[in-house]
Amino acid sequence: KAGVTQTPRYLIKTRGQQVTLSCSPISGHRSVSWYQQTPGQGLQFLFEYFSETQRNKGNFPGRFSGRQFSNSRSEMNVSTLELGDSALYLCASGSAGWAVSEQYFGPGTRLTVT
Amino acid sequence: DQQVKQNSPSLSVQEGRISILNCDYTNSMFDYFLWYKKYPAEGPTFLISISSIKDKNEDGRFTVFLNKSAKHLSLHIVPSQPGDSAVYFCAARQTGANNLFFGTGTRLTVIP
Repeated sequence: KAGVTQTPRYLIKTRGQQVTLSCSPISGHRSVSWYQQTPGQGLQFLFEYFSETQRNKGNFPGRFSGRQFSNSRSEMNVSTLELGDSALYLCASGSAGWAVSEQYFGPGTRLTVT
Repeated sequence: DQQVKQNSPSLSVQEGRISILNCDYTNSMFDYFLWYKKYPAEGPTFLISISSIKDKNEDGRFTVFLNKSAKHLSLHIVPSQPGDSAVYFCAARQTGANNLFFGTGTRLTVIP
């Protein structure tokens, strides 16, 4: 069974630009969550999608948005990039319905904003 | 506000000995706890979990202990192996939600 895949793996952008990251969950998983990892803050929850609906959101500004498609693939968009957005962005997928237990992470997209 | 805390950023243990990684939390609404292991350039890998209705869960060399009254959990690895060297994250889930709250991680080094 293929794991969670994320594209691209590495990305360099300039302040003010926007970026879109993609995540394909494990086959059959309908929950996709996004996390930001930075050295000082650890992993912080951005949002979760289930069956194309955002059902949970973390404490990030509106510049961070996402969506999920009918095949459960998800995209995350960051507009008007700031230097502080440089981080590893991780996507995780989970099975089951409302109560997702273990989440399985992809390798992440390393975003560098210059 | 860090609701899940791992106060030891690093830990070194001799091969064959026990590794004990600790985690504290502040939110009494957490009902499920997980440990993840992370190697450089990879995403976190799920290791073991425990529900708040239990106080111990064991899987091979890995055992997680939960002390709800102290809001403390720990991961025991016995015996420790060099391949266990990685960053370990403690995570918790709040009742009714699916997002995880992570600690800042503990880097375990197992010395051969």
